[in-house]
Amino acid sequence: GAGVSQSPRYKVAKRGQDVALRCDPISGHVSLFWYQQALGQGPEFLTYFQNEAQLDKSGLPSDRFFAERPEGSVSTLKIQRTQQEDSAVYLCASSLAVGPYEQYFGPGTRLTVT
Amino acid sequence: DAKTTQPPSMDCAEGRAANLPCNHSTISGNEYVYWYRQIHSQGPQYIIHGLKNNETNEMASLIITEDRKSSTLILPHATLRDTAVYYCIDISKTSYDKVIFGPGTSLSVIP
Repeated sequence: GAGVSQSPRYKVAKRGQDVALRCDPISGHVSLFWYQQALGQGPEFLTYFQNEAQLDKSGLPSDRFFAERPEGSVSTLKIQRTQQEDSAVYLCASSLAVGPYEQYFGPGTRLTVT
Repeated sequence: DAKTTQPPSMDCAEGRAANLPCNHSTISGNEYVYWYRQIHSQGPQYIIHGLKNNETNEMASLIITEDRKSSTLILPHATLRDTAVYYCIDISKTSYDKVIFGPGTSLSVIP
């Protein structure tokens, strides 16, 4: 079956531009997570959705970062006024239910801010 | 900060068992030990998890010490495709949303 997909796979943005990163989770998966991964480091938690409810956004680094999942399926991570330090791979993951279940990760979107 | 510690890198000969250690000395009774791996340019992939007992699946075995302060992931017959960064993570039954990855162990399988 289809896994988690993310688009675009690569994005180059000029400093100050807004970007939107899309995540299509596995159909029927209740939980959705966003992570940021800098080069050579492990993924860092950004935010968590249970269906359409954003239950934890404590990992978002600034108010320039905004995530939504309006219908409980597709999610978008938006970064406003991008800065060079936003350059990273943004990973989306979904899991079937609520709880400590295995997460299925997408391939990530590599964002480069120039 | 990650609650687990792992060696930064390891080598393993192709066809041999790869034994990846993880220290989680502050693990609490309601926390699982999860292992993921990340092959270059891909998203992390779930491998296995356990609470108290040893576990085995088609990918690997997980050995958890009796005091639960450490564990070992075993890949019984490593192949070149097992070259990846391996992450050991404690995930709480109640605070499961905020998963904290450390830097992991970079495993190189050598022909």
